[in-house]
Amino acid sequence: AQTVTQSQPEMSVQEAETVTLSCTYDTSESDYYLFWYKQPPSRQMILVIRQEAYKQQNATENRFSVNFQKAAKSFSLKISDSQLGDAAMYFCAYRFHQTGANNLFFGTGTRLTVIP
Amino acid sequence: DTGVSQNPRHKITKRGQNVTFRCDPISEHNRLYWYRQTLGQGPEFLTYFQNEAQLEKSRLLSDRFSAERPKGSFSTLEIQRTEQGDSAMYLCASSLAPGDNYGYTFGSGTRLTVV
Repeated sequence: AQTVTQSQPEMSVQEAETVTLSCTYDTSESDYYLFWYKQPPSRQMILVIRQEAYKQQNATENRFSVNFQKAAKSFSLKISDSQLGDAAMYFCAYRFHQTGANNLFFGTGTRLTVIP
Repeated sequence: DTGVSQNPRHKITKRGQNVTFRCDPISEHNRLYWYRQTLGQGPEFLTYFQNEAQLEKSRLLSDRFSAERPKGSFSTLEIQRTEQGDSAMYLCASSLAPGDNYGYTFGSGTRLTVV
C-alpha cells in the first residue's frame, strides 16, 4: 500500500529565509508522480510543484524546489526567500503512474508559519 | 471559467438527515474526483468519474454515500442518514486526461458539520 508521511506537523520560518519541508513515502512501484500542494486558510488546494519518478533532475518552480531521493523515498520541498503569502498547510502527495490509477495519496500536512 | 466551484461552502445538519453537495468542474475537464478531509488529516480519495462514468470508488464510500455525474459535467455527492463521523471537508477536483499527471484543480470544498 502507498503511504505518505510528513513528520513535521508545524514549521516556522522568518520572512526572506529558506525552509525545508520533509516528506517520505512508501511504495513498491518504480513509476509514479509526487506533488506538493499548498492549502491556504481559504482552503483551496493549489499545486505547488510536481516530480516524475523517472526523472533524476529535481523539479524547480521559481522559489520552490524539491530534493527527490528515489532510493531513500524522500521528497522534500524547499521554499527560498519565504514570503508572508507562503503561510499555509503544505501536503505531499503520491500518484501511481498507471492507467486507471488516478487517486492521490496525501500526507497529513505541515503547517507553515511565516514570521515577519 | 473561474475554476472548480463547490456549493454550499458550509452545511450544518442534524444526525440522520440527508445532505447533497454539488461540484461544478472546469468546463473542459473530463475527470472529476471527490475527496474527504477530516481535521488534521490530508484529503482521502472517495470516488472518481471520467465523463459520466463512475470508474473508481474507495472503501471509504459506504452505502450511505452516492455520487453522480449525469451529463459528464457537474457532480453531486449525497450522504444519507448522516452520522457525526461524516463531519469533514468534502473536496472536489477536476482534471483533463491524460494531463492529470500534472495534478488536479481543487475546489474550495464544502464543510459538513453533523450535530
